[in-house]
Amino acid sequence: AQSVTQLDSQVPVFEEAPVELRCNYSSSVSVYLFWYVQYPNQGLQLLLKYLSGSTLVKGINGFEAEFNKSQTSFHLRKPSVHISDTAEYFCAVSDLGYYKLSFGAGTTVTVRA
Amino acid sequence: DTGVSQNPRHKITKRGQNVTFRCDPISEHNRLYWYRQTLGQGPEFLTYFQNEAQLEKSRLLSDRFSAERPKGSFSTLEIQRTEQGDSAMYLCASSFMGQGGTEAFFGQGTRLTVV
Repeated sequence: AQSVTQLDSQVPVFEEAPVELRCNYSSSVSVYLFWYVQYPNQGLQLLLKYLSGSTLVKGINGFEAEFNKSQTSFHLRKPSVHISDTAEYFCAVSDLGYYKLSFGAGTTVTVRA
Repeated sequence: DTGVSQNPRHKITKRGQNVTFRCDPISEHNRLYWYRQTLGQGPEFLTYFQNEAQLEKSRLLSDRFSAERPKGSFSTLEIQRTEQGDSAMYLCASSFMGQGGTEAFFGQGTRLTVV
């Protein structure tokens, strides 16, 4: 079984500043890793995913994440945020070959002008 | 490709009533999932289908919950004798088994309020 811990429940940030959202996971097997974004009253949209290969993964809307196997982390970053990035962000994990996702509790990002 | 569609988007029901939600996955996707999301939490897995077969059910899915996916196309999630604790967002997702690693596409969800 896997579990995900998102270390920050809320992250306030000013527009055009960088942001980092922290995610740690635990699993006894190799995993796939994902970041999803959820806007108010909407479903989840995939930002990026790590399956294998390069540990630096680039996603949509200027986001990127780095997989660190030794630290079992998958932190999400954006160098310069916009007001439109205000949303809930979820880190998720699934084991290889099996597609059920286990989600963290989410991080609320609020971007202020 | 119109994405995953869920209906209704919102449902308010009285405690004790039955409700049914529908999910239409992306047409070529053979896997379909149901998740439940309560306020301030991440989605929690409820059940999933591969084609028409229901392959796993979470312990969260009490006997009052039933899901079906006839003919491996759309799916329904029924909750009988609703309780206030059933109030949540119910999310449906679909994916195609066989791609290198999964990408689950989510619908916009059905928000259930039990009063």
